[in-house]
Amino acid sequence: EAGVAQSPRYKIIEKRQSVAFWCNPISGHATLYWYQQILGQGPKLLIQFQNNGVVDDSQLPKDRFSAERLKGVDSTLKIQPAKLEDSAVYLCASSLILAGYTGELFFGEGSRLTVL
Amino acid sequence: QQQVKQSPQSLIVQKGGISIINCAYENTAFDYFPWYQQFPGKGPALLIAIRPDVSEKKEGRFTISFNKSAKQFSLHIMDSQPGDSATYFCAPRRTALIFGKGTTLSVSS
Repeated sequence: EAGVAQSPRYKIIEKRQSVAFWCNPISGHATLYWYQQILGQGPKLLIQFQNNGVVDDSQLPKDRFSAERLKGVDSTLKIQPAKLEDSAVYLCASSLILAGYTGELFFGEGSRLTVL
Repeated sequence: QQQVKQSPQSLIVQKGGISIINCAYENTAFDYFPWYQQFPGKGPALLIAIRPDVSEKKEGRFTISFNKSAKQFSLHIMDSQPGDSATYFCAPRRTALIFGKGTTLSVSS
């Protein structure tokens, strides 16, 4: 079974530029998450989708970050304009179910963003 | 993320020793208590998880101990191996995983 695919793996941009990250979840996984992991810290949830609807985007900096999940499959996370503090690894994860005692999250390898 | 406090920040253990990582949480609405393991350049991967109606769960060399009244749970790695060297995160869940800051484990041979 193919895992969660993310691209690009690495991106270097100047501050105030824009960047977009793409995620393809595991087939059949209804729930999709974007996490931000700053070096030396744990992942922080940015946004959670259930199919193509947003479940939680309370920690998404909406003045510069946007995300969409068209047709309930692939997702794109965009940052515009980027700031130095956005340098991080952006992790996409997917899971089969939302609630209950199970619901393992499967993570991609991440997209590493460096803002200069 | 302040809802979850993980300790220690780093840990060095001899091969064959026991590694213990602790996690304290505040939100009583958490309903699922996993530990994730992350290797450099990779995304986190589920290691072991426990439900709040169980006090202990063992899978091979890995054990979770859960204390609901104290709002704490811990990961024990028995017979630690160099291949266990990684970063470990507790990540209790309400609707999504809330990660601790991580514990970097180094197992020396």
